[in-house]
Amino acid sequence: EVQLVESGGGLVKSGGSLRLSCAASGVTFSDVWMSWVRQAPGKGLEWVGRIKSKKDGGTTEYAGSVKGRFTFSRDDSKHMVYLQMNSLKREDTAVYYCTKIGGPTRPFAFDVWGQGTMVTVSS
Amino acid sequence: QSALTQPPSVSGSPGQSVTISCTGTSSDVGYFNRVSWYQQPPGTAPKLMIYEVTNRPSGVPDRFSGSKSGNTASLTISGLQAEDEADYYCSSYTSSTTWVFGGGTKLTVL
Repeated sequence: EVQLVESGGGLVKSGGSLRLSCAASGVTFSDVWMSWVRQAPGKGLEWVGRIKSKKDGGTTEYAGSVKGRFTFSRDDSKHMVYLQMNSLKREDTAVYYCTKIGGPTRPFAFDVWGQGTMVTVSS
Repeated sequence: QSALTQPPSVSGSPGQSVTISCTGTSSDVGYFNRVSWYQQPPGTAPKLMIYEVTNRPSGVPDRFSGSKSGNTASLTISGLQAEDEADYYCSSYTSSTTWVFGGGTKLTVL
């Protein structure tokens, strides 16, 4: 069974930085594309971005709302993906979910989700 | 990229059917058959229910079905059960190689 576990959330001041981590198990991690999705309190889901597998180029794509401030990276040896968040704004306050993109059989769906980690940005 | 449009809420009685719509544009919902649906009960993470418009992952009951016409996708839940009460989100891959979600629909089982 594939499992994703996020960590690193917390309280940070506006303009500050935070790094989230996501640990994956039960999957050949080097083959998978990963994505982050966030959910502000009481609001809907918002796609944040994705990182491809290294064999597919390892490239990243970001939502316009975070481009230039957020950076994804991955360490396949540790089965980890990271989300570095800089220049945080109050509107970045949300639960951040790490998700696995579905692979060859369903390459455009998020088929496994972590439990989420809360990020709160104060003024 | 603007969010896809979903009704804020729908409701139905046990045993009935409900349909949730998801309207986008020719650059997302209408561009590809790459729409997926997610179920999120209160306080939990979302769960994939439908992918590529009509496909169900293993373990998802066949009471859940998806369809698409033009720029609007739909999720139908037949034989409604109390455990189906949750928020439902659609998502689409876009022509800009990004993803976009709908605003979410709260399903109430009366």
